[in-house]
Amino acid sequence: EIVLTQSPGTLSLSPGERATLSCRASQSVSSSYLAWYQQKPGQAPRLLIYGASSRATGIPDRFSGSGSGTDFTLTISRLEPEDFAVYYCQQYGSSPGNFGPGTKVDIK
Amino acid sequence: EVQLVESGGGLVQPGRSLRLSCAASGFTFDDYAMHWVRQAPGKGLEWVSGISWNSGSIGYADSVKGRFTISRDNAKNSLYLQMNSLRAEDTALYYCAKDMEELLWFGALDYWGQGTLVTVSS
Repeated sequence: EIVLTQSPGTLSLSPGERATLSCRASQSVSSSYLAWYQQKPGQAPRLLIYGASSRATGIPDRFSGSGSGTDFTLTISRLEPEDFAVYYCQQYGSSPGNFGPGTKVDIK
Repeated sequence: EVQLVESGGGLVQPGRSLRLSCAASGFTFDDYAMHWVRQAPGKGLEWVSGISWNSGSIGYADSVKGRFTISRDNAKNSLYLQMNSLRAEDTALYYCAKDMEELLWFGALDYWGQGTLVTVSS
């Protein structure tokens, strides 16, 4: 079973700043089968990135994903007010499709 | 428009059973794997179970293996989760989610329902 860890736990930033979120896997994620989701309070998660670096439909280009093997990164180039939320990574290269514990991006 | 509507949640005593349903519309249901993901109050996401488009591949989290059973009825565009021997730690909002990869076992989850709340308490 692949275990995901995310850092930092909380990221306090101002609108317009750059956010860099990390997701590390306990073993290599096959074929970069890693996704990122955004979740706002009271809402279901929304898929942002799949295949480590491909943006899902309708996702703004300020969101980008990178990485391979065991180390992955989600970057938000310039934070908009609507980007303050919790972000989860998930690996889907093997079952169980575990999620990381999440990174909360809040307003500084 | 893709819609996923969960139902069947509620308050149940420890040790009892509950069956969740997810009604899907707006896409060709029998072409996609489907999943259940849960979120305990104030906690993160936990993948619970998934089933391939033809029910040929099924997976479970270790925390529910042997107690929960996932199934689907492609004729009814419906996904199910039979939950037996429920425990307090199963208390969560249960989401139904669609896999984005057509005719594959496991992909990213591109559409989610709004969830159904399961509370396990005496």
